[in-house]
Amino acid sequence: DQQVKQNSPSLSVQEGRISILNCDYTNSMFDYFLWYKKYPAEGPTFLISISSIKDKNEDGRFTVFLNKSAKHLSLHIVPSQPGDSAVYFCAASDYGQNFVFGPGTRLSVLP
Amino acid sequence: GAVVSQHPSRVICKSGTSVKIECRSLDFQATTMFWYRQFPKKSLMLMATSNEGSKATYEQGVEKDKFLINHASLTLSTLTVTSAHPEDSSFYICSASLPSSETYNEQFFGPGTRLTVL
Repeated sequence: DQQVKQNSPSLSVQEGRISILNCDYTNSMFDYFLWYKKYPAEGPTFLISISSIKDKNEDGRFTVFLNKSAKHLSLHIVPSQPGDSAVYFCAASDYGQNFVFGPGTRLSVLP
Repeated sequence: GAVVSQHPSRVICKSGTSVKIECRSLDFQATTMFWYRQFPKKSLMLMATSNEGSKATYEQGVEKDKFLINHASLTLSTLTVTSAHPEDSSFYICSASLPSSETYNEQFFGPGTRLTVL
């Protein structure tokens, strides 16, 4: 039973356009959400996070939106760049006790 | 999809004892497994890369003698925290890479182990 789902295994976007990566969760105890980016042959690196008391967090080209009622969050990248091509993992935490990762979405930004 | 399990999911131990955490790939053979440490609301820290049949490659700053990694088979890697101290309390996560993925892009994460050292 997957508590964190990323239903799109892959996504292709044209350079300069917006990339939207989606994540759904089932556990209402999750209060903190994180996005990680992973390049080949490297470990995941932290990208951006959001607390459940907020519905939006922005950092440069990256914005994460949280819809608690729908148990859904999304990562927006705008404008998308070829260097953004990577696998993106969504993760959720319940008060820092446990961290559950989604299966990842592979983003390809086409020049 | 590929499934990775970890055991135990939660462990509480006294300071000075050693704790072993197992990471298993349930439906595939993983030539490479990764061990991470998750700090609250912080980055996921890669501790070491474990290759079956060879010594693990540790990241800078990670004590090899304290965090012993053994990748004895294609489906099992273990992390032993030796002489654990309260500062070792953390959430430890393993991931396994599909052998067909030469670039390790396909990583499947285990459910994690919460270690609390009293």
